[in-house]
Amino acid sequence: EPEVTQTPSHQVTQMGQEVILRCVPISNHLYFYWYRQILGQKVEFLVSFYNNEISEKSEIFDDQFSVERPDGSNFTLKIRSTKLEDSAMYFCASSEEGAGGNIQYFGAGTRLSVL
Amino acid sequence: SQQGEEDPQALSIQEGENATMNCSYKTSINNLQWYRQNSGRGLVHLILIRSNEREKHSGRLRVTLDTSKKSSSLLITASRAADTASYFCATGVDSSYKLIFGSGTRLLVRP
Repeated sequence: EPEVTQTPSHQVTQMGQEVILRCVPISNHLYFYWYRQILGQKVEFLVSFYNNEISEKSEIFDDQFSVERPDGSNFTLKIRSTKLEDSAMYFCASSEEGAGGNIQYFGAGTRLSVL
Repeated sequence: SQQGEEDPQALSIQEGENATMNCSYKTSINNLQWYRQNSGRGLVHLILIRSNEREKHSGRLRVTLDTSKKSSSLLITASRAADTASYFCATGVDSSYKLIFGSGTRLLVRP
């Protein structure tokens, strides 16, 4: 069964460093997403991406964050200068259809630890 | 309460019993979904119910939706130890790409 894959599973970084989280969405999906979950809290939407541009973003997704689809298969989330409060699980998701609450398929997540 | 609040926050039952989780939301929705998350893992989609539907079944899962009360319930019948996980409701609205997740119910099924 097709699945969303994320790498690495765990990333440890120093405050102020740049990190890139990688995702390979399901191959025939056109819509891509990043969410995060701070330990013990809700899953929060960060950004959605379609047709090589951001279609929607949350207040969390500030100038420190960027997304890119560098090739036909990968979808990345970059945090330019990490802060302690960026420590969280980051989930990538993809879907066949876009707006309106369509089913999104999630990867297993990358645990980001900022020291 | 915020969009997508589940109760109870935690539920402990014996294997074979039924588990019921509730979700409330505040705005008009296009649909409501339930996801499961095993400890430290990703979210797995369980079932989607559209705003014009009142009840839906999938295997041992039964979901109801009451748009007048802005609430939904997820019933897992004949629970198994493998059902132990956190369960989240997520709402989708027209013209938005995001899913809004609730705070989740932690279900423990004791063997």
